[in-house]
Amino acid sequence: EDKVVQSPLSLVVHEGDTVTLNCSYEVTNFRSLLWYKQEKKAPTFLFMLTSSGIEKKSGRLSSILDKKELFSILNITATQTGDSAVYLCAVEAGTYKYIFGTGTRLKVLA
Amino acid sequence: GAVVSQHPSWVICKSGTSVKIECRSLDFQATTMFWYRQFPKQSLMLMATSNEGSKATYEQGVEKDKFLINHASLTLSTLTVTSAHPEDSSFYICSARKALETQYFGPGTRLLVL
Repeated sequence: EDKVVQSPLSLVVHEGDTVTLNCSYEVTNFRSLLWYKQEKKAPTFLFMLTSSGIEKKSGRLSSILDKKELFSILNITATQTGDSAVYLCAVEAGTYKYIFGTGTRLKVLA
Repeated sequence: GAVVSQHPSWVICKSGTSVKIECRSLDFQATTMFWYRQFPKQSLMLMATSNEGSKATYEQGVEKDKFLINHASLTLSTLTVTSAHPEDSSFYICSARKALETQYFGPGTRLLVL
């Protein structure tokens, strides 16, 4: 059975800290891995990763995929209170089939 | 950009009534649209995938007669929750996919069935 597991489930840090969120997966037909940020409503897209070892960066956020070990990490440096959200990892497993992890709930304290 | 809208944002209805939720891609044509359901503090669960002009593909455990999906055009998909019951109360999110790109999510519709 295809599955996506995120850890930790929840994290509380102070502003300025760096956090690393983990996503591991087991799927039979991997196509891509995606990271989303969900605040109060629908998720917003952060990154799509398809190749191992190539880091994607956007401001203070970065992500990398390891297709051999079947995981990805999302790093957030110099965290701000606005980074507080649920971060979702999803794997596209076959055509049009997206499997989401349970998410990591991040709270950044001022 | 890639903007997806949903209507309504919020709906409260009585048990036994049917509720229609619209999902529109505003500035692109979506080859595929997806419907998800999310319970509080849980992740997104894919309910069904629909391609324009063809029948939706439902995930295991999702009743197709209960959750009717119509993908009438490349910019519009509708989800109708038929004879809604309190256990159908949830946050319903659609997403639309541009060809060869990722999916873009709508803002979601919160359904409360009394």
